[in-house]
Amino acid sequence: NAGVTQTPKFQVLKTGQSMTLQCAQDMNHNSMYWYRQDPGMGLRLIYYSASEGTTDKGEVPNGYNVSRLNKREFSLRLESAAPSQTSVYFCASSEGSGWETQYFGPGTRLLVL
Amino acid sequence: ILNVEQSPQSLHVQEGDSTNFTCSFPSSNFYALHWYRWETAKSPEALFVMTLNGDEKKKGRISATLNTKEGYSYLYIKGSQPEDSATYLCAFEYNFNKFYFGSGTKLNVKP
Repeated sequence: NAGVTQTPKFQVLKTGQSMTLQCAQDMNHNSMYWYRQDPGMGLRLIYYSASEGTTDKGEVPNGYNVSRLNKREFSLRLESAAPSQTSVYFCASSEGSGWETQYFGPGTRLLVL
Repeated sequence: ILNVEQSPQSLHVQEGDSTNFTCSFPSSNFYALHWYRWETAKSPEALFVMTLNGDEKKKGRISATLNTKEGYSYLYIKGSQPEDSATYLCAFEYNFNKFYFGSGTKLNVKP
C-alpha cells in the first residue's frame, strides 16, 4: 500500500517552460488536493478535487491548471513557469465524506530559474 | 484570506518538559480544526480532527482542546521526548474540502 505518490521528487525549470506534476493515491479516496509550501508560510491550497471529474480553486490558483484524470490521479500543470513558483508542492487525498484527515505525498521540490 | 495563526513559531525544551502551543482561527464559518505533525524530510501526518466546541482529543502523551466560540485550539505534549521534535501544523477547515493552514510551531526537544 503506497498511499500517496508524487513524481518527480525534484525538478529544475527555466522561466517559461511548462511541466506537469503527477500525483496518485491507492486508498480509493474521493477528494484530492494540491498545496504549495514556502519558507515561513503554511501550506497553501492551490486546487482541490472533491470527486472524479470535478475541480475547484483554492487560495492560490493563478498560474496553475489541474486535471482529475480518474479517481486515483490528480495532476498539476504549470503552463509557463515563473520564479515565483519555486516551491515545494504537496499532493494530498482524503475520503471526501467530511471532517476526515488528509494523507500527504512526499512532495515535489521545484526550482524555477 | 483567513487568519490562522500559530504561536510560538518555535520552541526549544528539555527532554521531560511538558509544553503547549496555540492555534487561533476565525470563530465564524467553523467546519473543523486539524492538527498535523511534520517531521523534517517527511510528509505531514495527522494527529487529530476536532469538530465540536469543547472537543478534547488524546493520543499517548499528546492531547488537544478546542474552543470554537473564541477561535483557538491548544496542543499539549506531556513529558516531551527527542522523537517529538517536529513542526506541528494546524489547519482550519472553513468549508468542505477548503483549508487554511497555519505556518506551524517548530518544536525541538533536547536530550
